[in-house]
Amino acid sequence: GQQVMQIPQYQHVQEGEDFTTYCNSSTTLSNIQWYKQRPGGHPVFLIQLVKSGEVKKQKRLTFQFGEAKKNSSLHITATQTTDVGTYFCAGHRGSTLGRLYFGRGTQLTVWP
Amino acid sequence: EAQVTQNPRYLITVTGKKLTVTCSQNMNHEYMSWYRQDPGLGLRQIYYSMNVEVTDKGDVPEGYKVSRKEKRNFPLILESPSPNQTSLYFCASTDRVGVGTDTQYFGPGTRLTVL
Repeated sequence: GQQVMQIPQYQHVQEGEDFTTYCNSSTTLSNIQWYKQRPGGHPVFLIQLVKSGEVKKQKRLTFQFGEAKKNSSLHITATQTTDVGTYFCAGHRGSTLGRLYFGRGTQLTVWP
Repeated sequence: EAQVTQNPRYLITVTGKKLTVTCSQNMNHEYMSWYRQDPGLGLRQIYYSMNVEVTDKGDVPEGYKVSRKEKRNFPLILESPSPNQTSLYFCASTDRVGVGTDTQYFGPGTRLTVL
């Protein structure tokens, strides 16, 4: 079954609005990674979080890793049309280090 | 330029005709992995390799084979392709997995259609 759940599946926002996607794992993760995939492109690594409660920022993007290391979120402030794409979370579990479990992604559409 | 390359980029084939999708990285990465992407299902891991001669199954290994005879190459083999293997395939590599910043680089993808 799906190891990592991600919601929402789709999000449509007007430029300037904020956007958040959430990831939830049934088991504790050793890390959480976030990727962005533009339409027709390949996934591009954005960031990795490894510590419980960790928060990292990249310009308008804020990434959080939950205290229990089972959930994570990506928040974009004041979206721009360049933010369009699908955002995926993915995590490793300590017991099977090579396995990477992806969420199904959130497809973000931004209209001007 | 650091990159992961895949060939072919597009392939249309018929059921049962063996095919190989090649993957190569020029970053001396130890870890390589194959994923398939299907609409609504996201990315699912097929096989991964922690190092040369070390491979292991991911979520959906059935119908696929891999080999890792040298560090830079990680081919994906479909011995007898079936229509349910029609998908977009990505190869990826990274220096290490687990704790620590391990940027995973993805190839451009191979769109496979099995008739």
